[in-house]
Amino acid sequence: GQQLNQSPQSMFIQEGEDVSMNCTSSSIFNTWLWYKQEPGEGPVLLIALYKAGELTSNGRLTAQFGITRKDSFLNISASIPSDVGIYFCAGYPNAGGTSYGKLTFGQGTILTVHP
Amino acid sequence: DSGVTQTPKHLITATGQRVTLRCSPRSGDLSVYWYQQSLDQGLQFLIQYYNGEERAKGNILERFSAQQFPDLHSELNLSSLELGDSALYFCASSPGQLNQPQHFGDGTRLSIL
Repeated sequence: GQQLNQSPQSMFIQEGEDVSMNCTSSSIFNTWLWYKQEPGEGPVLLIALYKAGELTSNGRLTAQFGITRKDSFLNISASIPSDVGIYFCAGYPNAGGTSYGKLTFGQGTILTVHP
Repeated sequence: DSGVTQTPKHLITATGQRVTLRCSPRSGDLSVYWYQQSLDQGLQFLIQYYNGEERAKGNILERFSAQQFPDLHSELNLSSLELGDSALYFCASSPGQLNQPQHFGDGTRLSIL
């Protein structure tokens, strides 16, 4: 099946630092989504990307849909303690234009922010 | 609050038993999706329903089944439970059926003893 390779697996940073994580695949994706998950909760949608090259921001978060449609990155600027959590990339693979609901997830990036 | 409601939050049962997990999608959403999250497998897509009909299937075991009712809520049935079925089960919903952002509930934690 489709695979998404997310890196890094974990990050330990100081409050105020910027963060960057990415997802790559050997296959083309139609849509890229970025989620954050905290303990005891479900993934929360952060950003959705629909077109190659698209750059979208949500507050201190910025994500881009790679022009090859095989990758995406998420940046967090000026991190704060509440940014702690697991960040997942997810995407709908290009399966003849009808990929329906088969959302594929990366393995996640565990973010720890030290005050 | 995503607007997706899952019950129960926790389930503890024994091997060989059968359980039913319930999901109410966000108001207006016609698609419901089920996922399994375990430490070694991550988030795995199980199945999608759209307006009562099955639309897509992932690596869902034959012991598992789901349905979506006319009021759009969905149930995931897990039978002949094994120790390896212990996991978090999430439901998500979206307005349509193609390439839509999915909004997740807070999950049901299933523990098999």
